[in-house]
Amino acid sequence: AQSVSQHNHHVILSEAASLELGCNYSYGGTVNLFWYVQYPGQHLQLLLKYFSGDPLVKGINGFEAEFIKSKFSFNLRKPSVQWSDTAEYFCAVIPTGAAGNKLTFGGGTRVLVKP
Amino acid sequence: GAVVSQHPSRVICKSGTSVKIECRSLDFQATTMFWYRQFPKQSLMLMATSNEGSKATYEQGVEKDKFLINHASLTLSTLTVTSAHPEDSSFYICSAYGTAGGYTFGSGTRLTVV
Repeated sequence: AQSVSQHNHHVILSEAASLELGCNYSYGGTVNLFWYVQYPGQHLQLLLKYFSGDPLVKGINGFEAEFIKSKFSFNLRKPSVQWSDTAEYFCAVIPTGAAGNKLTFGGGTRVLVKP
Repeated sequence: GAVVSQHPSRVICKSGTSVKIECRSLDFQATTMFWYRQFPKQSLMLMATSNEGSKATYEQGVEKDKFLINHASLTLSTLTVTSAHPEDSSFYICSAYGTAGGYTFGSGTRLTVV
C-alpha cells in the first residue's frame, strides 16, 4: 500500500517569502501525485497534479511542484507568497492507472502567511 | 467546474440521535463517492468508498453499522451517523469521482454531538 509523508506540520512566513513544502511518498510502482489546498472554511481544491511527462508541474495561483522520481518526492513551491496563501496544504498519491480509486493523503501542512 | 454540494455545513445533535449528511454532484455524475473524516489539525482519514448502486467498502476500523452510506443514484450519496456519541464529533468530507474527471470535494460538515 502507498503512503505519503509531509515533513512540515506548520510553516509561518512573511509575505513575499518563498515557500517550499515537502512531500515524499512510498510505493513500489508508478504514481499520480496531487497537491490540494484547503483555505480556511472552504473545501479542498486541486492546486496541481502530476500524471506523466514534464516533472515540473505548474498549478494555480503561482504554485509549482517538481516530481523527483529518484527521491520519491513531489515538493510544492511558490517563489513569493501572499497573505491569501494562508491555508492547509495536502499532498496525495494514487497508483497510476487507478483513477477513481482512493487517494492517500499526507498529514497536511498548515501555512500561515503574516502580512 | 464540477461542484459537490454537501449539507448541512454544521450540525449539532444530542447523543444517541442520528444525523444524515448529503453530498450531491451538481453538474456531473459521481460514480464513486469517498467519505472522509478529518480530526482537528490532522489529515483526511478515509472512512469508506461507495460506488453507485453497490454496497460501500469500509476502511479497517470503521463501523459500517454506525456509519451508514447510501449511494443510490449517480448524483447523491448520504452518510448517516447512527446513535451518535461525542467521540463522533468531527469534520466529515465527501469526495466524488465521476464524469467530470478528477476528485471533487464537498465543503464538509462539522458535526458536534452533545
